[in-house]
Amino acid sequence: DVKVTQSSRYLVKRTGEKVFLECVQDMDHENMFWYRQDPGLGLRLIYFSYDVKMKEKGDIPEGYSVSREKKERFSLILESASTNQTSMYLCASSGYMSSYNEQFFGPGTRLTVL
Amino acid sequence: AQSVTQLGSHVSVSEGALVLLRCNYSSSVPPYLFWYVQYPNQGLQLLLKYTSAATLVKGINGFEAEFKKSETSFHLTKPSAHMSDAAEYFCAVSVASQGNLIFGKGTKLSVKP
Repeated sequence: DVKVTQSSRYLVKRTGEKVFLECVQDMDHENMFWYRQDPGLGLRLIYFSYDVKMKEKGDIPEGYSVSREKKERFSLILESASTNQTSMYLCASSGYMSSYNEQFFGPGTRLTVL
Repeated sequence: AQSVTQLGSHVSVSEGALVLLRCNYSSSVPPYLFWYVQYPNQGLQLLLKYTSAATLVKGINGFEAEFKKSETSFHLTKPSAHMSDAAEYFCAVSVASQGNLIFGKGTKLSVKP
C-alpha cells in the first residue's frame, strides 16, 4: 500500500515564524501536491511538483514556497506565518503509472497560527 | 477547463436510509472521476473511481456511483446508511493529459440513529 506521511498531525506556531511542513511518500511517485482545506472551501491546491527540483504554482501559492530535493520528500514552507494560514494542510502523491491520476493522501497537519 | 459541483454542502439521512450525494462535472474531454471520503481529522481515502470502463462503479464500504455522460453526473449512492458513514465526501475530476485533480467543495454526511 502507498503510504504518505506528514511530519506533524497538529502544529501551533506564532505569527511571523517560519514554518516547515514535511511530506514523505514511499511509492516512488513522481508527482506530489500540497493542499489546504478550509470549511466550505474544499481543497485548494497550493503547489505541486512533477519531479525533483521542479515546482508549479497551484491556485493559492501566495505566502507559501516549496522544496523538493529528493523524489520522496516534498516540503511546504510558510516564510512568515500569519493567522490567515491557520488551516488543515494535506499532502498527496501520484505516479505516472498510478491509476488515472489517482492521488494518495497523507493524514493531514492541522496548523494553528497564533 | 474542468470543474466539479457538489450539490448540498450538508446531507442528513437516517440510519438504514438511502444515501445519495450529487456530483456534476464539466470537462471538454473524457474525464476520470473520483469519490474520496474524509473521516474527522484524517486525510482523504479513495472510495471509487471511474476510468471509462463500466459506467456503474462499485467502491468500498458498499458505495457505488454511476457515470452518466448525458447528464454530466457522477452521483454517489449507498442503499442503506450506517452510522460509520458519517464523514465528508469529495468528488474530483481529472483528464488523462494532466496530473491534477479538481475537487468539489465537499458534502458532509450526517447519519441519524
